[in-house]
Amino acid sequence: QVQLVESGGGVVQPGRSLRLSCAVSGFTFSSYAMHWVRQAPGKGLEWVAVIWFDGSNKYYADSVKGRFTISRDNSKNTLYLQMNSLRAEDTAVYYCARDSLLCVDVWGQGTTVTVSS
Amino acid sequence: DIVMTQTPLSSPVTLGQPASISCRSSQSLVHSDGNTYLSWLHQRPGQPPRLLIYKISNRFSGVPDRFSGSGAGTDFTLKISRVEAEDVGVYYCMQATQSWTFGQGTKVEIK
Repeated sequence: QVQLVESGGGVVQPGRSLRLSCAVSGFTFSSYAMHWVRQAPGKGLEWVAVIWFDGSNKYYADSVKGRFTISRDNSKNTLYLQMNSLRAEDTAVYYCARDSLLCVDVWGQGTTVTVSS
Repeated sequence: DIVMTQTPLSSPVTLGQPASISCRSSQSLVHSDGNTYLSWLHQRPGQPPRLLIYKISNRFSGVPDRFSGSGAGTDFTLKISRVEAEDVGVYYCMQATQSWTFGQGTKVEIK
């Protein structure tokens, strides 16, 4: 069945970096755009970034632009989020999600990132 | 950026009774391709969100028919015809017409 499994979360100090991964199975990864969406503790959902099916286009929320980079390896069925210059306000559960005709139809379970000194 | 505003933010409901959530966008969600990319998602406590409705009124696979979506332009509504216990949680609208943004969420709980 369709599965998205995030990994790479953890506790990191402000200003440091972290890379999240999302391993995908059960569908043709290279045919779909993919998103990262985050949720701060007790808060709502915040869209973070999207990457086109072939990696040709990438878009970011203003809150992460210039600090985060979304990428993918279609040969490994894996989505990534490189997070640099982390701030306390980046603390959240990070979800990867599949885009199907501009609706986000499948979500992973999430990985938790805590930015704290 | 398009701002999505949901009302109410909290909705206590009685089992078996209907519930309704409104979502308003700061500008029209009609895309240049003629579609309106407004979705509804449901998140149970401790769980990831799941898609309920896409393009205003299309139920996603496996979603019970007690859920329905309607609206046009900037005003949209999610209705639950008869609330069941499993429907508790937070409901989000999401637009994908211009970038991607979510509403603040509406918490549905049983009275």
